[in-house]
Amino acid sequence: GEDVEQSLFLSVREGDSSVINCTYTDSSSTYLYWYKQEPGAGLQLLTYIFSNMDMKQDQRLTVLLNKKDKHLSLRIADTQTGDSAIYFCAEWPYSGGGADGLTFGKGTHLIIQP
Amino acid sequence: GAVVSQHPSRVICKSGTSVKIECRSLDFQATTMFWYRQFPKKSLMLMATSNEGSKATYEQGVEKDKFLINHASLTLSTLTVTSAHPEDSSFYICSANSGATNEKLFFGSGTQLSVL
Repeated sequence: GEDVEQSLFLSVREGDSSVINCTYTDSSSTYLYWYKQEPGAGLQLLTYIFSNMDMKQDQRLTVLLNKKDKHLSLRIADTQTGDSAIYFCAEWPYSGGGADGLTFGKGTHLIIQP
Repeated sequence: GAVVSQHPSRVICKSGTSVKIECRSLDFQATTMFWYRQFPKKSLMLMATSNEGSKATYEQGVEKDKFLINHASLTLSTLTVTSAHPEDSSFYICSANSGATNEKLFFGSGTQLSVL
């Protein structure tokens, strides 16, 4: 079945770059997503990438996709205290039919050190 | 952007009672809504997919008689946890699809259910 793996914790200093990694197993994944969850809140879509892309940049966020290795990363430049949250990687093997649910990783807790 | 409203945000109930959670799409029609459950320090697990006007599709291992889902209109889906027990305590999140792809998948703010 589908599986999405990511590290549980990442600690970085304020101002440094954060790189959160994710691996997935489903080779048919078409869309890959990064969501942010702040304490007690729902999920906020940060960015997504289509599987035919290698990279996508959106302001401080850079997503890199290595489809051969099934590896996805999210880089947050100039990490701020407001970036402290849990980041979920998710994949969607779009089958062309209806809408299916996403498969999420367990989430990476990003901890910012002053 | 599109907003999904989930209510209540927090509920505490006694064991054996039923709890209803509402999920509304405020400015778009959601043909499909999803219900997820999040365990502490674990990932979000898809519970069921509901399409307006039809029966929900439950994921393997999710009791459909325990977690009743109603998607009566294009803007409202409800999840009812029947005869709740402490092991049902969790964070429940809904999401709604506004288009053909999950690119436009919006999440509610979640409901923290605590069963005493």
